[in-house]
Amino acid sequence: QKEVEQDPGPLSVPEGAIVSLNCTYSNSAFQYFMWYRQYSRKGPELLMYTYSSGNKEDGRFTAQVDKSSKYISLFIRDSQPSDSATYLCAAFTGGGNKLTFGTGTQLKVEL
Amino acid sequence: GAVVSQHPSRVICKSGTSVKIECRSLDFQATTMFWYRQFPKQSLMLMATSNEGSKATYEQGVEKDKFLINHASLTLSTLTVTSAHPEDSSFYICSARSEGDGYGYTFGSGTRLTVV
Repeated sequence: QKEVEQDPGPLSVPEGAIVSLNCTYSNSAFQYFMWYRQYSRKGPELLMYTYSSGNKEDGRFTAQVDKSSKYISLFIRDSQPSDSATYLCAAFTGGGNKLTFGTGTQLKVEL
Repeated sequence: GAVVSQHPSRVICKSGTSVKIECRSLDFQATTMFWYRQFPKQSLMLMATSNEGSKATYEQGVEKDKFLINHASLTLSTLTVTSAHPEDSSFYICSARSEGDGYGYTFGSGTRLTVV
């Protein structure tokens, strides 16, 4: 079992839709959770960073972490074609420890 | 926010030669940097953790003699692919953690290596 599980998609939605992206994890020691967006042939770009359980909102993006169920989510409101990319969830325990990534979900927002 | 610069973005080399990839933290100091490899439509695979002033820590299955890592300063880490072969062709990405950026890990733009 992978430490971080993520549905690879692809996920296709119409422009303006609300997108829900999800990951589950198995390591109870994870304290920090991140969502990255990666366009083709580019490095990942940090979208959201969350410590422990709770919600965090930034513009059209909302990240949720539920440590009791080991479930992390990213919601994208009013999705745009420019949001079409691969979204990677990631977690780590703290300090300088390495990130553990999900496999990434490929999202396509269609006109 | 924190910026990590990676160079070159693309490189083509002949089989048997060596290639050096640079990763720089532009506006912060990074005692630890990470090197990843990514195959098409797959997630990032951690290759090694680069520590300033000390030896890198390699993940299981990664050949340390083939992938040489040097972290000579707080803002620069290099990955050298030695005696490259076509199977080394891949997308290589570095990252560093910036405490001033919400403790998130910032990634470089990646290097696409093609060995012919």
